[in-house]
Amino acid sequence: DGGITQSPKYLFRKEGQNVTLSCEQNLNHDAMYWYRQDPGQGLRLIYYSQIVNDFQKGDIAEGYSVSREKKESFPLTVTSAQKNPTAFYLCASSHDAWRRDGYTFGSGTRLTVV
Amino acid sequence: SQKIEQNSEALNIQEGKTATLTCNYTNYSPAYLQWYRQDPGRGPVFLLLIRENEKEKRKERLKVTFDTTLKQSLFHITASQPADSATYLCALDEAQADMRFGAGTRLTVKP
Repeated sequence: DGGITQSPKYLFRKEGQNVTLSCEQNLNHDAMYWYRQDPGQGLRLIYYSQIVNDFQKGDIAEGYSVSREKKESFPLTVTSAQKNPTAFYLCASSHDAWRRDGYTFGSGTRLTVV
Repeated sequence: SQKIEQNSEALNIQEGKTATLTCNYTNYSPAYLQWYRQDPGRGPVFLLLIRENEKEKRKERLKVTFDTTLKQSLFHITASQPADSATYLCALDEAQADMRFGAGTRLTVKP
């Protein structure tokens, strides 16, 4: 079955560390997105990519980086510059940038700073 | 400023009743509005999309309305069941812009 796989499910980061969250899809979707979810807030867009080797910043890109070297993969790195990284991170994809079939989301990665 | 408000953080109803969730927005002009279901610790799941020129859309026990004059969407679940208990998110889709999500309403259906 097609879908999006995020790993790991839980991730613990020490102060000053960079960590990378994995997102892989086998839906042949062109567009991929990273969102952050905090309690009581709507999903906030970190980065998105509409085609391979191209990506754009969302509302809260500071302290994060991404790459899109393959259509299937869109990893997110949380750098030490992100001051408050504890959150639930969601990767999503859509058939194209028009999103008319909605987003398909992964199961999320819960990141905690220790 | 732009705002998306979902009627309340939590809604409790009795099994068999109709649940009605509200999504109000200001300073947006969405071409589409989407509704998602999210279970605890999981990613949201797409339920329905309604276009700005559609007044109503149905899918099984779900019904969505979209009033661009009132800047409001209503999401109804008829004959609700305990399995419908989840958080429901609305998302506004403006053409050529990022999709914006509300904070969600947590629905609990009691047996």
